[in-house]
Amino acid sequence: AQTVTQSQPEMSVQEAETVTLSCTYDTSESDYYLFWYKQPPSRQMILVIRQEAYKQQNATENRFSVNFQKAAKSFSLKISDSQLGDAAMYFCAYRSGGGADGLTFGKGTHLIIQP
Amino acid sequence: NAGVMQNPRHLVRRRGQEARLRCSPVKGHSHVYWYRQLPEEGLKFMVYLQKENIIDESGMPKERFSAEFPKEGPSILRIQQVVRGDSAAYFCASSPRGPAGVRTDTQYFGPGTRLTVL
Repeated sequence: AQTVTQSQPEMSVQEAETVTLSCTYDTSESDYYLFWYKQPPSRQMILVIRQEAYKQQNATENRFSVNFQKAAKSFSLKISDSQLGDAAMYFCAYRSGGGADGLTFGKGTHLIIQP
Repeated sequence: NAGVMQNPRHLVRRRGQEARLRCSPVKGHSHVYWYRQLPEEGLKFMVYLQKENIIDESGMPKERFSAEFPKEGPSILRIQQVVRGDSAAYFCASSPRGPAGVRTDTQYFGPGTRLTVL
């Protein structure tokens, strides 16, 4: 079974600074997808960014980018120019490319933005 | 475009009662997933359904929980004889059908239903 580990229960960053959230996963599969979801106080799950394992290029969405290290099974999220609206829980998630269809989530990192 | 809709947003039940949670996927999406989030935890997969079919229920408790996605209408997650341990947020997600009927990888989530069992 796949597992996803987020080792930072909480992170704090000054507004406008850059922060990196860590995520590691364990799998024996070669085909899979990785995601970062954001959950603000409203509790809505919002997709931030996704990465296909077969792509070597790291995904980027505006101020959000990932550092995908397939051999190390690491998938960190970098948020540049942090804004107050980025404050939320961030969840890393894994989905198999061909077998189970449900997402496997980490326990989350609570991101605090200091004004 | 309406996103995934869930209702009710908040549901209070007494122990032993039944809870029915509804999920309307994004229009045109034919794949529905249910997840449960306990306090201070990540989401845990429960069940994956397509219209009139349960595809994967490996995360569903064996007793008291059931799910359906009928040909017409929303998907329903039903919890019979609720206990305090069922108190959680329940999220529904949907994804569109890709080429040749294959589901795509990205799931879009609803706002969740917070179930409180007294």
